[in-house]
Amino acid sequence: GENVEQHPSTLSVQEGDSAVIKCTYSDSASNYFPWYKQELGKRPQLIIDIRSNVGEKKDQRIAVTLNKTAKHFSLHITETQPEDSAVYFCAATDNAGNMLTFGGGTRLMVKP
Amino acid sequence: NAGVTQTPKFRILKIGQSMTLQCTQDMNHNYMYWYRQDPGMGLKLIYYSVGAGITDKGEVPNGYNVSRSTTEDFPLRLELAAPSQTSVYFCASSYARQGEQYFGPGTRLTVT
Repeated sequence: GENVEQHPSTLSVQEGDSAVIKCTYSDSASNYFPWYKQELGKRPQLIIDIRSNVGEKKDQRIAVTLNKTAKHFSLHITETQPEDSAVYFCAATDNAGNMLTFGGGTRLMVKP
Repeated sequence: NAGVTQTPKFRILKIGQSMTLQCTQDMNHNYMYWYRQDPGMGLKLIYYSVGAGITDKGEVPNGYNVSRSTTEDFPLRLELAAPSQTSVYFCASSYARQGEQYFGPGTRLTVT
């Protein structure tokens, strides 16, 4: 099955700096890659996703890049704010597209 | 529009007891999922359903059962609870096979 690895496990940045979280996946047939944000004690919520026919996608301060050849994708957050502090999870679908496999998560701390 | 609701919010079980976690969505989504999240870890898929009457195993199905008799409801049954099943359980639903998953608030289960 699919295996998704996520790095780093924790990331601390100063407010206003950029943050980058990287994920690798194992199944070359995967074609959907969402990112979820989970605040402490809350449910995960989708923040951005990308499909395999696109190399990059942006939404305001958030962007995701995908390199299918190398089987890795990254989340970029610019101008970080304290409210960006949360755990971020990447995920990838299995080859049938029915199941998401999640990475282990990155705890992002934005210091004011 | 309540989205995805789960009951109970918290539960303590003794080893060997059984229980059903309830999940209901009012968005008319065909796809529904059950995940478990162990402390400090990512989400692991237990079971999923692509429509009423259809269920399939995810990554970690052992010790669990599901049913999907209606579009709205997707209960998760734990038989013979074990300490290894201590976790937070999230139910989710989505409109599309590869689309945003909407999560419920979670059920925190402790087995002692």
